Amino acid sequence: EIVLTQSPGTLSLSPGERATLSCRASQSVSSYFAWYQQKPGQAPRLLIHAASTRATGVPDRFSGSGSGTDFTLTISRLEPEDFAVYYCQQYGSSSFTFGPGTKVDIK
Amino acid sequence: QVQLVQSGAEVKKPGASVKVSCKSSGYTFTGHYIHWVRQAPGQGLEWMGWIHPYSGDTKYTQKFQGRVTMTRDTSTGTAYMELSRLRSDDTAVYFCARDGTTSTPGEFDYWGQGTLVTVSS
Repeated sequence: EIVLTQSPGTLSLSPGERATLSCRASQSVSSYFAWYQQKPGQAPRLLIHAASTRATGVPDRFSGSGSGTDFTLTISRLEPEDFAVYYCQQYGSSSFTFGPGTKVDIK
Repeated sequence: QVQLVQSGAEVKKPGASVKVSCKSSGYTFTGHYIHWVRQAPGQGLEWMGWIHPYSGDTKYTQKFQGRVTMTRDTSTGTAYMELSRLRSDDTAVYFCARDGTTSTPGEFDYWGQGTLVTVSS
């Protein structure tokens, strides 16, 4: 099973700041990689797939990069609605896995 | 618009089984894999497996092999996930999610609202 490690566990920032979230895979997943946002009491929401493609309706302040084992989600300027938990996911193997999540909270 | 609507909350005793439904609308049900993901209270997301509604083919993660069964009813556009021999650590919100691709399994672009399953004696 491919293990995903996210860092940091918590990111404390202010609105308007830039957020950089990282995810590392235990082996290469090529670009079969996605990022999700989850708010309390809600289902996750797809933000990025194929490592760098924004999902429909996702604002362009969200961007994804990386391939192989190292991936990054960047939020260029945090809006109040962006404070949430972010999960990475790989689908490069037949058994999919998620990372443990990064919580972005208000400083 | 694409919608996945799940069945309501369940309370089960240890050792029992639970069957959660996920009714789709707004797209061709047989064209996209359906995945099941669970989330224990205060914890992260855990992928359980997928079903392809056209063929009925399934893939389960090793952890749930032998305890989980995913099925579908193409006449109603509904997918089902049944988990047997429930334990207290199966207490979680169970989500269904549509695969965003129509070929090989990939990202999850639409999600159901989640079904809370509580296992308690």
